Amino acid sequence: AAGVIQSPRHLIKEKRETATLKCYPIPRHDTVYWYQQGPGQDPQFLISFYEKMQSDKGSIPDRFSAQQFSDYHSELNMSSLELGDSALYFCASSRGQTNTEAFFGQGTRLTVV
Amino acid sequence: AQTVTQSQPEMSVQEAETVTLSCTYDTSENNYYLFWYKQPPSRQMILVIRQEAYKQQNATENRFSVNFQKAAKSFSLKISDSQLGDTAMYFCAFMKHREYGGATNKLIFGTGTLLAVQP
Repeated sequence: AAGVIQSPRHLIKEKRETATLKCYPIPRHDTVYWYQQGPGQDPQFLISFYEKMQSDKGSIPDRFSAQQFSDYHSELNMSSLELGDSALYFCASSRGQTNTEAFFGQGTRLTVV
Repeated sequence: AQTVTQSQPEMSVQEAETVTLSCTYDTSENNYYLFWYKQPPSRQMILVIRQEAYKQQNATENRFSVNFQKAAKSFSLKISDSQLGDTAMYFCAFMKHREYGGATNKLIFGTGTLLAVQP
């Protein structure tokens, strides 16, 4: 069965650079969520989208922006990267805004040096 | 604000035995959802079990079951017949019910319990 696809799987960037993370939800899933998991930390909710509109917003820095496109894939854009942005970034998707079952991708590991 | 607390950073269990992972949460909401997620060394987040707060019956999924005590705000996970593949970090998570119905899509996680199943 198709799963949530995240790309790239690994990314190394220098401080002050920009990074773009992509998420391709499971087919027919219209809701996408982004989470950030720092080393040894629990995942923190960043932002979610339903039908290409922002649904909920969490602790997402102003340096980050995200959107969901017409094909339901989502991109997380991160600018002016800081060392503290080094983390595992998860994308999850679900079908319908009220569906509580979210399927997670394998994550993108971002390292800022 | 909602918080989720897992007081056991690490636990160990022998293969085939039973283990219980603890989770407490704090919320003023009456309707919400609770989850247990598993994160093996691959770092993939996998849903183990889910409970709706309005349901009194405890959720069960094969070897996994929960003890949901709404008044005590407690949500423990019991793993029966532990298997080596159960070795993972286990996260308890909370999701608020949206006022006009449905979920908020925003999971609040606890700090996790690292479970090691010993052969």
